[in-house]
Amino acid sequence: KAGVTQTPRYLIKTRGQQVTLSCSPISGHRSVSWYQQTPGQGLQFLFEYFSETQRNKGNFPGRFSGRQFSNSRSEMNVSTLELGDSALYLCASSPGGISTLYGYTFGSGTRLTVV
Amino acid sequence: AQTVTQSQPEMSVQEAETVTLSCTYDTSENNYYLFWYKQPPSRQMILVIRQEAYKQQNATENRFSVNFQKAAKSFSLKISDSQLGDTAMYFCAFMFSGGSNYKLTFGKGTLLTVNP
Repeated sequence: KAGVTQTPRYLIKTRGQQVTLSCSPISGHRSVSWYQQTPGQGLQFLFEYFSETQRNKGNFPGRFSGRQFSNSRSEMNVSTLELGDSALYLCASSPGGISTLYGYTFGSGTRLTVV
Repeated sequence: AQTVTQSQPEMSVQEAETVTLSCTYDTSENNYYLFWYKQPPSRQMILVIRQEAYKQQNATENRFSVNFQKAAKSFSLKISDSQLGDTAMYFCAFMFSGGSNYKLTFGKGTLLTVNP
């Protein structure tokens, strides 16, 4: 069973640009969540999608957005990049519903560097 | 809002010995789950163990066990017979289970180094 796949693995962008990150969940999983990991703030919840609908959103500015497709693949977009957006972005998937309480399965993340 | 605190930024242990990582949390909720995740240099977060708050019995997974003290809001992880492959960042996490919107609240992590 393939795991959670995140692409690209590394990304370097210039301040002011926008970026799109991709996440393919485990086959059959309908819930996808995104987390930002930085040395200073640690791991912070960005948002969660279930069946193409955003169900939950963390405390991030509107420059951070996402979407989920009918095949459960998800993308997150960051517009007008700032230096502080440099981070490891982790995607996590679960079957959805109460099964989520068994724990999320994470991908290996996308390392975004803004210069 | 829930908070999770890991008071030990770094710890080290000798191979084959036992080590305990501390975690405390703050919540007014009664229905929740607690998790320990491991993040090796490969960056992937790996679920180590989970604990349902309504269960008094401490969870155990092979060499990993927890000491869950609900009244004290404490959730420590014990690793027995430490192995070199246990070297990683360990994160304690909280998830409220009373609704349908599940999200993890993480602690800052503890870097564990297992020495040969």
